[in-house]
Amino acid sequence: KNEVEQSPQNLTAQEGEFITINCSYSVGISALHWLQQHPGGGIVSLFMLSSGKKKHGRLIATINIQEKHSSLHITASHPRDSAVYICAVRSRDDKIIFGKGTRLHILP
Amino acid sequence: GAVVSQHPSRVICKSGTSVKIECRSLDFQATTMFWYRQFPKQSLMLMATSNEGSKATYEQGVEKDKFLINHASLTLSTLTVTSAHPEDSSFYICSARLSVELYGYTFGSGTRLTVV
Repeated sequence: KNEVEQSPQNLTAQEGEFITINCSYSVGISALHWLQQHPGGGIVSLFMLSSGKKKHGRLIATINIQEKHSSLHITASHPRDSAVYICAVRSRDDKIIFGKGTRLHILP
Repeated sequence: GAVVSQHPSRVICKSGTSVKIECRSLDFQATTMFWYRQFPKQSLMLMATSNEGSKATYEQGVEKDKFLINHASLTLSTLTVTSAHPEDSSFYICSARLSVELYGYTFGSGTRLTVV
């Protein structure tokens, strides 16, 4: 079992829909990152969380440390949001562990 | 915010040649940089950890003589793929630990290497 699990693996939705991507982890962490990987491969760091909730534009990220779970939400989704979203955690022994990613496709 | 600039973003090289990938921290000092590799539809996997001024620590299964990492300054780390083979074709990403923020990491935008 992977130490960082994301769901769903693939998600197709219509433009305008509210999107939720989940990340569960089994190790103790000091921080969690959400990354966006575009089709060309380039990676953009969206959020770094150690507790609570962060918001940036249409993106919201939450983390529940007790439940070892984080969610990434996209409101009013748009085709340009189509990408792979990756959850990564920094473990207590200072390693970054990546999830396999969620491939999101937003249809116009 | 802290930015890591990674170059080149794409490179195509012939088998047997060497390719250098650079990661520069633009507005902070990166005492530690990490290099990752991603095969198609796979997770990013840590290859090695480099600390400024010392030898890199390689993960199990990563050939240190093939993937040369140099972290000669607090703002620059390089990964050189030596004698490249088609199976080295992959996506390589660097990450730096932010020295001013306890838990922060920032990521380069990645380099897609194709060996022909």
